[in-house]
Amino acid sequence: DGGITQSPKYLFRKEGQNVTLSCEQNLNHDAMYWYRQDPGQGLRLIYYSQIVNDFQKGDIAEGYSVSREKKESFPLTVTSAQKNPTAFYLCASSMGQGTYEQYFGPGTRLTVT
Amino acid sequence: KNQVEQSPQSLIILEGKNCTLQCNYTVSPFSNLRWYKQDTGRGPVSLTIMTFSENTKSNGRYTATLDADTKQSSLHITASQLSDSASYICVVSAGFSGGYNKLIFGAGTRLAVHP
Repeated sequence: DGGITQSPKYLFRKEGQNVTLSCEQNLNHDAMYWYRQDPGQGLRLIYYSQIVNDFQKGDIAEGYSVSREKKESFPLTVTSAQKNPTAFYLCASSMGQGTYEQYFGPGTRLTVT
Repeated sequence: KNQVEQSPQSLIILEGKNCTLQCNYTVSPFSNLRWYKQDTGRGPVSLTIMTFSENTKSNGRYTATLDADTKQSSLHITASQLSDSASYICVVSAGFSGGYNKLIFGAGTRLAVHP
């Protein structure tokens, strides 16, 4: 069963704690992305990676960090420096950069109180 | 500034009726335009993708149009079903040198289909 998995579906944390969101894909895609979705707004790019061991900041990278040690995995850490971390986080992947279609995971809803 | 604006923000229709969602964009350089369907609490799923030279594309009961001159797109849903209740997101891709494409997302139109 091919696709993108994100875990957990719901995540609750106390303010000041770092939290890591998981994203795994078995589509053999080179490129992976992290987006944040807030009510009434379009998705915003946090980080993306075009190849293993390489990643670039997106539009709203402050307070987030990523790693890409394996082709299949692209975890996102939400640090305590992120001012408004409560949001719906979406991971996506594509065969490459450029015009390739992006396939999205089911998302993780993070609530920080 | 690259922007994608969608209208209406929300829409309620009766099952079996047709509807049309609008997308206006100011994105340069334009590469392609995509429509995604997003069910509540789920990830977006692609419906159509159109390049500059395409002005219409269909996927079942979904038909997307693109007017590159006026920078407008529409998504027409025919004979709506309860399962069409979702958010519909217009996404425009800006293509830069070196093969890098940046996606600009609209805020979406939330459609509710009532029996």
